[in-house]
Amino acid sequence: GENVEQHPSTLSVQEGDSAVIKCTYSDSASNYFPWYKQELGKGPQLIIDIRSNVGEKKDQRIAVTLNKTAKHFSLHITETQPEDSAVYFCAARDYKLSFGAGTTVTVRA
Amino acid sequence: DGGITQSPKYLFRKEGQNVTLSCEQNLNHDAMYWYRQDPGQGLRLIYYSQIVNDFQKGDIAEGYSVSREKKESFPLTVTSAQKNPTAFYLCASSITGSYNEQFFGPGTRLTVL
Repeated sequence: GENVEQHPSTLSVQEGDSAVIKCTYSDSASNYFPWYKQELGKGPQLIIDIRSNVGEKKDQRIAVTLNKTAKHFSLHITETQPEDSAVYFCAARDYKLSFGAGTTVTVRA
Repeated sequence: DGGITQSPKYLFRKEGQNVTLSCEQNLNHDAMYWYRQDPGQGLRLIYYSQIVNDFQKGDIAEGYSVSREKKESFPLTVTSAQKNPTAFYLCASSITGSYNEQFFGPGTRLTVL
């Protein structure tokens, strides 16, 4: 089955700086890669996703890149703000979603 | 107001007791899912259902059971056979298909005393 690894597990950045989270996957059949943000005590919410036929996607301050050959994808958050503090999960889908272990992002004011 | 509701938010149970977690959605989604979340780990799939009256085991189905009698509802029973049931349980739903977003409920935190 699919195995998704996510790094780093924790990330602390100064407000206004960029944050980058990286994930690798094992199954070349995976074709959909969503990113979720989870605030404390709540369910995850989709923030951006990318399909296997696209290399990059951007939505305001967040962007995702996908390298199918290397089987890795990354989330980039620019101009970080305190409300970006949360746990972020990457996932890869072959026939089901497999999640990374999560990255706790803390934005220091 | 469309969405997924889970109840209760917090649940306490004694060892040896079965307990049922509720999940309801009014998004008209065919597919529903149950995940377990432990500290420092990603979400792990327990069971999923793509249509009424049908469901499949996920990666960690042992000690759990589900039913899907209605499109809107997908209750999860944590049985006494589940060795370590204390966790945060998340329900999700989606329309069927490869690229469709899964919408998550607010979760139920189960603690076994």
